[in-house]
Formats: sequence, C-alpha cells, structure tokens
Amino acid sequence: DSGVTQTPKHLITATGQRVTLRCSPRSGDLSVYWYQQSLDQGLQFLIQYYNGEERAKGNILERFSAQQFPDLHSELNLSSLELGDSALYFCASSVGDWGTGELFFGEGSRLTVL
Amino acid sequence: AQSVAQPEDQVNVAEGNPLTVKCTYSVSGNPYLFWYVQYPNRGLQFLLKYITGDNLVKGSYGFEAEFNKSQTSFHLKKPSALVSDSALYFCAVRDKAGNTPLVFGKGTRLSVIA
Repeated sequence: DSGVTQTPKHLITATGQRVTLRCSPRSGDLSVYWYQQSLDQGLQFLIQYYNGEERAKGNILERFSAQQFPDLHSELNLSSLELGDSALYFCASSVGDWGTGELFFGEGSRLTVL
Repeated sequence: AQSVAQPEDQVNVAEGNPLTVKCTYSVSGNPYLFWYVQYPNRGLQFLLKYITGDNLVKGSYGFEAEFNKSQTSFHLKKPSALVSDSALYFCAVRDKAGNTPLVFGKGTRLSVIA
C-alpha cells in the first residue's frame, strides 16, 4: 500500500458529461501529480501541485482542470468528456517538489466514457 | 525535451534465467533515472533510481540497473527471474536542471515462464 488513496476506482459515464476524480496523498507529502495512462499514449503527465499551488503543467487539455486544497487532497475535473478520455488516471505524491525523490502512486481511477 | 524509449513491448524469459529490460533516454542536461513496476490493477511502484555516483544501482526485489552515459541507457537487470516478477516495467527520466516533470517510457511487459 503506497498510502495514496484515489476515488472512485471505476467510473462509467457518457460523452459530454463531467466527472471529478479525488486523490489523498501520503501523510506529509506536499506534492500531488496527475498522470493519464492509455494504451496508445502510455503514461502522460498532466499537472502537478505543490502545497496548494500549481507547479508544473503537462499535456492537460483545456477541458480538464485540477486543484489542491488546504488539506492537500487534490481533485481532477474532467468536463465535456469524449470517448478518447477513457483511460486510467493516476495520482502520485511526494514529500517535496520533483527533486530526486520517487513518486508514490495510487491505484488509479479507471474512467470509461461511452 | 526529455524522452524515454523502451524498445521492447514484451520480454519473455524462463524462470531462473537472467533478465534485461532495456531503456534509453534523452535529456538536454544530466538525468535522474528511475524504474517503476506495475502489477495488474495496481499503481506504479518504485524499484530503483540513479541520481549520481556509482553507475550500478541496486533496488528492490533483487533488481539492479546500470547507468551508461555514453550510450544514454539505463537497462534493468536481474540475475535470476521469478514468475512473480511478471509485470509491466516503466523507465522514467527527468532533467536535473529545473523543475521538469518525470517522463515515462511506454512500458515493457515482462513475462517469466515457469
């Protein structure tokens, strides 16, 4: 168990809808990272927050947004969903910024868009 | 830009034989290099990392990796494979300079046959 908790584990929704994925980092970790894993694209970095502030942005679509709350949990909001958004969304956390430390991953939220 | 190449989608090896999972990388500066493993329906787990110093890095579960700067490679190795090593393995890199994200390869599926 990595200590990173993601909910929900599975989510099925329709095109055009909006969903929210939630992540609780390991106790004491200040950074939260979101990655998208799909069969054709592999693991793609979406966005990072450090202690409530956006720190780095990757290939995140404008339809997607995220935030980190004062208690350090994070939410990833996906709107106007398309079939191609179906993927496994991982949250990871670390004590500090990217640095030299490893990331601790949750078990992921599997999103299916029908 | 940073990138990672894992040239083999699948590696098959007999139990007890040595295994190698290949990884080459590209960064503009000096790299931090990582290996992660993903078991079915689980998140990624950290295996080992190269930061500086000795080119041979030892990690969890008997795995090791060798950093080769001239060949820009960071191959994962284990002297004697176990059936339980069967999983998806990801190589990852980030540039030491700046606040750059961790970039993952597309993964190599290792299958150890009894």
